[in-house]
Amino acid sequence: KNEVEQSPQNLTAQEGEFITINCSYSVGISALHWLQQHPGGGIVSLFMLSSGKKKHGRLIATINIQEKHSSLHITASHPRDSAVYICAVGKSGQGNLIFGKGTKLSVKP
Amino acid sequence: DARVTQTPRHKVTEMGQEVTMRCQPILGHNTVFWYRQTMMQGLELLAYFRNRAPLDDSGMPKDRFSAEMPDATLATLKIQPSEPRDSAVYFCASGFVSDGTALAKNIQYFGAGTRLSVL
Repeated sequence: KNEVEQSPQNLTAQEGEFITINCSYSVGISALHWLQQHPGGGIVSLFMLSSGKKKHGRLIATINIQEKHSSLHITASHPRDSAVYICAVGKSGQGNLIFGKGTKLSVKP
Repeated sequence: DARVTQTPRHKVTEMGQEVTMRCQPILGHNTVFWYRQTMMQGLELLAYFRNRAPLDDSGMPKDRFSAEMPDATLATLKIQPSEPRDSAVYFCASGFVSDGTALAKNIQYFGAGTRLSVL
């Protein structure tokens, strides 16, 4: 079993819909990251969380340390949000990140 | 604007040839990571450096891969000899980690990647 699991694998939404992407992990962590990979391949860091909730524009990331679960929400989705969203965790006591397989989001106009 | 620069962006080579990928981290960053991305495995860490010293290269096949930082402005990843199974996108990322801070508690800035095809 992977240490980082994302769901769903693929998601298609209509413009304007509220979107939720989930990430569950099975190890103790020091931090959790959400990354966005555009169709052109570039990877951008969206959030780094170790507790609670963060908001940036239409994006909201939450984490529940006790349940080992994080969610990424997109409000009022737009076609330009179409990308692969990747969850990554830093295991406690280790330096490197472990990545989920990603969620491919497609937002239709 | 500050960004991580990777060269080449694309590389097509034949099996057995040496491949060298280069990365220029953001000026002032003290940590550099090499990742490999494939459809099957997703993103995987190959190696990372802090203050130019290799800290972890356990994700790298040591018989054919090598990673170095000859100076603070250049990181290299070499594959010799290359094999078709090395075909992937290789990403470099950099970040600044303060003393005493967990490595994972810092934002990483990714380069555009090198798409490698080994025929």
